[in-house]
Amino acid sequence: AQSVAQPEDQVNVAEGNPLTVKCTYSVSGNPYLFWYVQYPNRGLQFLLKYITGDNLVKGSYGFEAEFNKSQTSFHLKKPSALVSDSALYFCAVRAFNNAGNMLTFGGGTRLMVKP
Amino acid sequence: EPEVTQTPSHQVTQMGQEVILRCVPISNHLYFYWYRQILGQKVEFLVSFYNNEISEKSEIFDDQFSVERPDGSNFTLKIRSTKLEDSAMYFCASREEGGIAKNIQYFGAGTRLSVL
Repeated sequence: AQSVAQPEDQVNVAEGNPLTVKCTYSVSGNPYLFWYVQYPNRGLQFLLKYITGDNLVKGSYGFEAEFNKSQTSFHLKKPSALVSDSALYFCAVRAFNNAGNMLTFGGGTRLMVKP
Repeated sequence: EPEVTQTPSHQVTQMGQEVILRCVPISNHLYFYWYRQILGQKVEFLVSFYNNEISEKSEIFDDQFSVERPDGSNFTLKIRSTKLEDSAMYFCASREEGGIAKNIQYFGAGTRLSVL
């Protein structure tokens, strides 16, 4: 079985400050890890993924995430938050050997960036 | 930019009625998925579909649910006899065939199903 935990329901940060949204996962074998963002009345938009290679992956809108195998974490980061980054963020995992490619999502973290 | 489109955006139905949720995946994609999100809960996998057959399904996807690719562009989810607990946002997703670099599922905006 695979699972994802996002321990914070909400993260508040001031505009211009760095932000971190936490994610830990559990999966058999090597993981494929993803971050998606959801704006109001919109679908899930892909931000970035880790498949293999460098532990630090860069994605859309200046976001990046660091894969840490020993801590089974994949935290989302951005050096300088924008008010427009305010949205719901979902971490997801897929096992490498999962033939159906199903994604397992965390519960989501609401990011609030204040001016 | 190509996108997954879902119709309708909101569907209201009476308990026991059949509903069909429609999705148009991105045109060159060959893997298709349905997920759902009950209000306040996690996004949950329902089913994946490839080469005209279900490749994986969750425990949620019981005999009341079915999927179909009736033509070259649409992908549908049918719920035969809706229950109150089927009320949720239903997301369709698709991805390309190919190696790990193409292993990204793209999601539609969702259909909110309300069962009364």
